[in-house]
Amino acid sequence: EPEVTQTPSHQVTQMGQEVILRCVPISNHLYFYWYRQILGQKVEFLVSFYNNEISEKSEIFDDQFSVERPDGSNFTLKIRSTKLEDSAMYFCASILGRPGAVGGYTFGSGTRLTVV
Amino acid sequence: ELKVEQNPLFLSMQEEKNYTIYCNYSTTSDRLYWYRQDPGKSLESLFVLLSNGAVKQEGRLMASLDTKARLSTLHITAAVHDLSATYFCAIYSGGGADGLTFGKGTHLIIQP
Repeated sequence: EPEVTQTPSHQVTQMGQEVILRCVPISNHLYFYWYRQILGQKVEFLVSFYNNEISEKSEIFDDQFSVERPDGSNFTLKIRSTKLEDSAMYFCASILGRPGAVGGYTFGSGTRLTVV
Repeated sequence: ELKVEQNPLFLSMQEEKNYTIYCNYSTTSDRLYWYRQDPGKSLESLFVLLSNGAVKQEGRLMASLDTKARLSTLHITAAVHDLSATYFCAIYSGGGADGLTFGKGTHLIIQP
């Protein structure tokens, strides 16, 4: 069964450093997403990406965050200057078709980001 | 602001018992998703409910959707230990919003 692949599985970084989280969505999917989950809390939408541009972003997705799809397969989330409160599990997801499509969303295994 | 509320947030039950998790949401939606999450793991899709009155079953889990009441339920029949996990419901509200809005999750522990 096709998977959404995320790397690394765990990243530790110092406050103020830049991090890039990587995702390879399912190849024929059209919409790509980043979500985050602070430990023990609910999953929160960050951003959606379609046709090589941001489709929607949440209030959490401020100027410190950026996304891109540099080579047609990878989908990255960059945090420019990490803060302690950025520590969370970050999930990439993709969907075949438009948001809300019948097929549902496939989530990756996540990257646990720890900011120290 | 769209709100998705799950009830209960924590549930400890014994094997072989039945129980129901409730998911209420605050806006019109006909797309409701249930996910399972094991500790430290990703979100595993359980059910996608697409219309009023939709009912889906997989093993000991059954999910239903009442769009008029803005309520979905996840029913567990004759629980077994392997079903211990956190269960999330999520809404796709449409109207230009792409992302899912999740509930806080129900942490389910099933004891022998």
